[in-house]
Amino acid sequence: QVQLVESGGGVVQPGRSLRLSCAASGFTFSSYGMHWVRQAPGKGLEWVAVISYDGSNKYYADSVKGRFTISRDNSKNTVYLQMNSLRAEDTAIYYCAKGGPDYWGQGTLVTVSS
Amino acid sequence: QSVLTQPPSVSAAPGQKVTISCSGSSSNIGNHYVSWYQQVPGTAPKLLVYDNNDRPSGIPGRFSGSRSGTSATLGITGLQTGDEADYYCGTWDSSLSAVVFGGGTKLTVL
Repeated sequence: QVQLVESGGGVVQPGRSLRLSCAASGFTFSSYGMHWVRQAPGKGLEWVAVISYDGSNKYYADSVKGRFTISRDNSKNTVYLQMNSLRAEDTAIYYCAKGGPDYWGQGTLVTVSS
Repeated sequence: QSVLTQPPSVSAAPGQKVTISCSGSSSNIGNHYVSWYQQVPGTAPKLLVYDNNDRPSGIPGRFSGSRSGTSATLGITGLQTGDEADYYCGTWDSSLSAVVFGGGTKLTVL
């Protein structure tokens, strides 16, 4: 069965960096695009970024463009989200999601606070 | 302000039917497939409908999706208390080159 396990969340000061990872299993990882979607406390879903199956195409939400970078390592079945210049408004649960998106991980909490 | 517009809340009695609307434009719903997600508070979103009206395996037939023009609708029949959750529509927006979601609709089963 499809499994997506996020890691790397935590508490970070404004302006600092954090890298999230999402380990995938149960499907042919190299055949699917992968997304990051976030949800601020008490708020709705906000799409963050997507990377194509081979990493050749990447798209970002305007709110993170120039600060966040999505990447993947198909040899490790893992997708990453490098987050730089973090702001308080980036505080959220970050989910990785496969394909459509269809399957979602359980999320990792990122808190940006001094 | 979300690109896709959903009602903040809907409610109905157990056993009844409810519909949740999702309004967009030609750059998103009008030309791209719509998905619907269910999110029980404290858990990850779960795919209910994809490609406007298809259901993943394991999703009961009580859940259905449709699209007309630049709007989409999720229908839920035979409401159960376990259906209480937040529901989101989502699709690709070719003008933004981004995935867009509705603001979410909270379903209360009275």
